[in-house]
Amino acid sequence: QQQVKQSPQSLIVQKGGISIINCAYENTAFDYFPWYQQFPGKGPALLIAIRPDVSEKKEGRFTISFNKSAKQFSLHIMDSQPGDSATYFCAASFSGGYNKLIFGAGTRLAVHP
Amino acid sequence: DVKVTQSSRYLVKRTGEKVFLECVQDMDHENMFWYRQDPGLGLRLIYFSYDVKMKEKGDIPEGYSVSREKKERFSLILESASTNQTSMYLCASSFGDSPYEQYFGPGTRLTVT
Repeated sequence: QQQVKQSPQSLIVQKGGISIINCAYENTAFDYFPWYQQFPGKGPALLIAIRPDVSEKKEGRFTISFNKSAKQFSLHIMDSQPGDSATYFCAASFSGGYNKLIFGAGTRLAVHP
Repeated sequence: DVKVTQSSRYLVKRTGEKVFLECVQDMDHENMFWYRQDPGLGLRLIYFSYDVKMKEKGDIPEGYSVSREKKERFSLILESASTNQTSMYLCASSFGDSPYEQYFGPGTRLTVT
């Protein structure tokens, strides 16, 4: 019940295309869904996050879509650029849980020029 | 800027050795976390601490212990290193009890031979 399932494991997109990464969860107590971005040799860094009271959040070229009834959320990267090539992790957390994050397995994104 | 530093970027140890990984944060965060990152498995929580001298087991605590004697410092200890503990170890910190951004260090790549 604590798992967050992420797909695909790897993704290749051409420059200018749309990258889509999907996650699903089981625990309905989760109330915070962040995405982290990790470049080689670096620790993950928060990219964008959403709470379940909204269905979509957009920051620049990055959008989270959230479907509460399906218990799914996804990251869309519009106009993907080679500089977006990184590993992306979805995660989930809940209030009162000392900010513990449950991470998905990660998606390695490669954007080809 | 928040800074989370880890004592070593790369470490090579022999089977059976006692290994100390140190993490220091400079943002007066209450929470600190130790994860290990393995390909295809994402980030798995080993231990976390929500206050000085307090610690809680994460999802994979076996073979590890932790110490938090000062608010800014959180140590991960491998009592008797084994080859299956070869991994990337990431430290993170965050504020409080509600979900907030976790700030990650650059990681320590530990190889146990």
